[in-house]
Formats: sequence, C-alpha cells, structure tokens
Amino acid sequence: DAGVIQSPRHEVTEMGQEVTLRCKPISGHNSLFWYRQTMMRGLELLIYFNNNVPIDDSGMPEDRFSAKMPNASFSTLKIQPSEPRDSAVYFCASSSRENTHEQYFGPGTRLTVT
Amino acid sequence: AQKVTQAQTEISVVEKEDVTLDCVYETRDTTYYLFWYKQPPSGELVFLIRRNSFDEQNEISGRYSWNFQKSTSSFNFTITASQVVDSAVYFCALSEAQGGSEKLVFGKGTKLTVNP
Repeated sequence: DAGVIQSPRHEVTEMGQEVTLRCKPISGHNSLFWYRQTMMRGLELLIYFNNNVPIDDSGMPEDRFSAKMPNASFSTLKIQPSEPRDSAVYFCASSSRENTHEQYFGPGTRLTVT
Repeated sequence: AQKVTQAQTEISVVEKEDVTLDCVYETRDTTYYLFWYKQPPSGELVFLIRRNSFDEQNEISGRYSWNFQKSTSSFNFTITASQVVDSAVYFCALSEAQGGSEKLVFGKGTKLTVNP
C-alpha cells in the first residue's frame, strides 16, 4: 500500500508569493495532520482534520496560513503571502479509526522562501 | 499542559555499543499514548512504537527495547549492539487521549551517531 504522499518534495519561492502544499493520506485513514519542523521550534502540529473536518487549528501561525480537506483523499496547506520565516519542512501524517493516535508521516515538503 | 523532554541532544557511540535514549514526559491526563519516531538523514519520520498509559510492560523488537515507567514518567529507548544504520534523530512524543484529541507533542529529538 502507498504511504502518505506529499507534493512537491521541494519548493523554493520568493517572499510574497503564494505556496500550496499537497497531501494524500493513506487510503482508509480518517484523520489527517499537518506538522512543521524547524531547527528552532522542532516538530509542531499546525492543524488536524477528522473525517475532513478541522478539529484543532490552534497551531496555525497566523492568517497567512490556511488548510483545507475537500475530500477524504486530499488536503492542502496554503501560505499567502509567504515570508522567509516560513522556511521549514512541512509534514503531513494520517491515522486510521482503528488505530487512532498512531500517525504515519509522509516524506515532507522542504519549503525555502527567499 | 503536555510536555516531552529529551535531555540528550546528541549521542555518539561506536558500532556494537548499547545506547539508551531518554524521554521524560508531563501530562495531567490518566489516559495517554507515548511514541518513538526515527528520522534518518533522508528526512522521513518512521513510526517505531506506540504505548498506552495502561500498559507498562516493557517491549522488545529485535535490537530495540522500550522501558516505560509511570512512576518516573519516563519512556526510554534502548538500542542493543548499535549499527551505523541506526544513525538518525529519534523523537519521543506524547498524545493525550482524554477529550478525543489526537494531537502529538514531540520532544526536541536526540541525534544518534553510530561510528564504524
């Protein structure tokens, strides 16, 4: 079975541009998570969805960040406008109803904002 | 509030040595889950183990073993006879079950280097 799929794997953009990160969870998983990893702050949860509904978005840094999950097999994390401090690795993870709290991570998207 | 502390920032060992990675957690919940993840140099996060708060049995999987002690709020990870391929950053994480949240809180990680 395919794991969590993220695209793009690398993104380099200029400050002020819009960035969209994409995630396809493991088929059959009903919870989806977006994390950000930086040297300074480590791994931190941005937002998570359960059955396509946002449950906890307390980690979303500010209004420039938004996330959607239009269906069970796709989610986006959008940053508009992007800033250099958004440079990080963004991970998507998913978990199943049968094994809640057991999250499987995608390969991550390395974002560089210049 | 939940918190995970991995006091060891970096550890360096020689191949075949045993190494223990420490993890101490804080939570007010009586029901919670503890995890270990491995992040090799390639960058992906690999799930290693999940433990729930009601199961204090130690677990062994090949060269890996985990020691969960509620009395000291610790969930330590030991690699026996380490190998170069074990070189990675290892993260301990906590998820509180009460309230239905699935949020994972991670420690800062311990970078393990196994030298040949």
